[in-house]
Amino acid sequence: GQNIDQPTEMTATEGAIVQINCTYQTSGFNGLFWYQQHAGEAPTFLSYNVLDGLEEKGRFSSFLSRSKGYSYLLLKELQMKDSASYLCAVRGRDDKIIFGKGTRLHILP
Amino acid sequence: GAGVSQSPRYKVAKRGQDVALRCDPISGHVSLFWYQQALGQGPEFLTYFQNEAQLDKSGLPSDRFFAERPEGSVSTLKIQRTQQEDSAVYLCASSLEQDTDTQYFGPGTRLTVL
Repeated sequence: GQNIDQPTEMTATEGAIVQINCTYQTSGFNGLFWYQQHAGEAPTFLSYNVLDGLEEKGRFSSFLSRSKGYSYLLLKELQMKDSASYLCAVRGRDDKIIFGKGTRLHILP
Repeated sequence: GAGVSQSPRYKVAKRGQDVALRCDPISGHVSLFWYQQALGQGPEFLTYFQNEAQLDKSGLPSDRFFAERPEGSVSTLKIQRTQQEDSAVYLCASSLEQDTDTQYFGPGTRLTVL
């Protein structure tokens, strides 16, 4: 079967750093995505990893280890506007994208 | 338009009623996807079009769900004889090609079946 696991909720403080982990078991692998979704809004693209390693984009970085079926999203210098759900998604062998249930991130002042 | 648009944004239907949800993808985007997102869950794949061809409909939960994209641009997701379990946000996404990095999502249609 196909499964994507990520924590349900996390809490962090404004200005701090938070790491959101994602593990996956899928039929094949053709890339991993992270999306941000504010309540009542559409998901917006954050990052895409297809090779092992770290991809850095401003305050956000995403890491992938294909051998471990593991990724994380790292958010630095947290701002109140970063309060949202973060969705991990994997594109499988058939190119279908499977989403995790999302991690709700709460930022405290 | 600048992004993916969906209409209506909100729909309330009585159980048994038929509904039609519309998606206008980004102009020129070949691929179009429909997802269903229940409260507190991630989006779940329903179906996928490449131009006008429906290449994958394996995620449609029952034969009450039907999607079309007759001219390869606008798409309609139709749900017949709606049930309470159909209540969810229906998201549409488009991408330039099926295997490009990014899908761009519309704002979704929140369907509530009473």
